Amino acid sequence: EVQLVESGGGLVQPGGSLRLSCAASGFTFGSYWMHWVRQAPGKGLECVARIKIDGSSTTYADSVKGRFTISRDNAKNTLYLQMNSLRAEDTAVYYCTRGMLYLEDVFDIWGQGAMVTVAS
Amino acid sequence: EIVLTQSPATLSLSPGERATLSCRASQSVSTYLGWYQQKFGQVPRLLIFDASNRAPGIPARFSGSGSGTDFTLTISSLEPEDSAVYYCQQRSMWPLTFGGGTKLEIK
Repeated sequence: EVQLVESGGGLVQPGGSLRLSCAASGFTFGSYWMHWVRQAPGKGLECVARIKIDGSSTTYADSVKGRFTISRDNAKNTLYLQMNSLRAEDTAVYYCTRGMLYLEDVFDIWGQGAMVTVAS
Repeated sequence: EIVLTQSPATLSLSPGERATLSCRASQSVSTYLGWYQQKFGQVPRLLIFDASNRAPGIPARFSGSGSGTDFTLTISSLEPEDSAVYYCQQRSMWPLTFGGGTKLEIK
């Protein structure tokens, strides 16, 4: 079964850091672009970051540029999101998503999400 | 940044009726537009990619059309389980953006 499972969410103070992980299974992880998409409580969806199949290229939303880092370990079938200098407005469910094969910016598989709450 | 505007914000229809959801882009996205369904408390699910292509496993009652700046998601005959928020998303340029969503209620 194709699956993405996020972990690492939680409560963190403003200015703090958190690292999310996303474990992939059931497919050849190293053949797909991967993304992080977030959803603030009761709000819509926002693309946060994406990474190329070999990790050689990354792209970020302006709202997180310079604070968040997306990375991957294809040997471990795992995607990461390092989040630094967290702000209240970063509070959201963070979804790990897979880009469809040859259509890398179409999200065909989603994880169950990891809740990140930034509050004092 | 390409802004996607969805209308209506809320739609209330009965089972068996036809639903028409609209998504308008602030500039042309060619046919690089998709639709996602998010049921209450659940993860988004891909329905349509590149304007008119159904994702694997999506029922034929879901169809998409449009190009340029105006797009439509049509659900031909509503089922009770179609109650959800529907989002459009463009992949024409970074940042990839989503519309604000249309909430579809089944009476």
